[in-house]
Amino acid sequence: QKEVEQNSGPLSVPEGAIASLNCTYSDRVSQSFFWYRQYSGKSPELIMSIYSNGDKEDGRFTAQLNKASQYVSLLIRDSQPSDSATYLCAVTRGNAGGTSYGKLTFGQGTILTVHP
Amino acid sequence: ETGVTQSPTHLIKTRGQQVTLRCSSQSGHNTVSWYQQALGQGPQFIFQYYREEENGRGNFPPRFSGLQFPNYSSELNVNALELDDSALYLCASSLSSGENSPLHFGNGTRLTVT
Repeated sequence: QKEVEQNSGPLSVPEGAIASLNCTYSDRVSQSFFWYRQYSGKSPELIMSIYSNGDKEDGRFTAQLNKASQYVSLLIRDSQPSDSATYLCAVTRGNAGGTSYGKLTFGQGTILTVHP
Repeated sequence: ETGVTQSPTHLIKTRGQQVTLRCSSQSGHNTVSWYQQALGQGPQFIFQYYREEENGRGNFPPRFSGLQFPNYSSELNVNALELDDSALYLCASSLSSGENSPLHFGNGTRLTVT
């Protein structure tokens, strides 16, 4: 079993729809969770972080965390063609900052395509 | 603009050679982490440096080594290059403390081993 697994893609949604990206993790001690977006040929870009159970909203993005189920998701509302990228889920045991934030375990990524 | 700069952007080496990749941390960040991202995969943690000492290592052999300098810049060295070392190498810096200091990556160095 991989430490961090993401739903297999690619995922294709029409413009304006909601894109749902899912991630499960195996390490129950994980405390901090991140979503990165990576355009082709570019480096990952942080778009969301979440540390507590529940939902966290930032613009069109909503991250959801359920530590009991070891599950974290990212919803993108009103998807745009510019959202087309690979989305990476990352987890770490650390919380409240510290050097542990540098030791992330990533999933394999989900390719999202938003078509006009 | 993340403030983390890496050089070179692209590099081609031959199997068996050695390579040094460089990273300049974001101003004020005292921790640097290196990742390897093979094509179609997520980044994998290589190691982290904090105050010039290695502070954690992933599942990589000893031929992957690093340095962090007093100005917090860093190097990743890979000896005896293998074909499977072909990947995007990412450097990221962060603060050692502070809740709102997640990882921000540089633009990466694309290494091709032939």
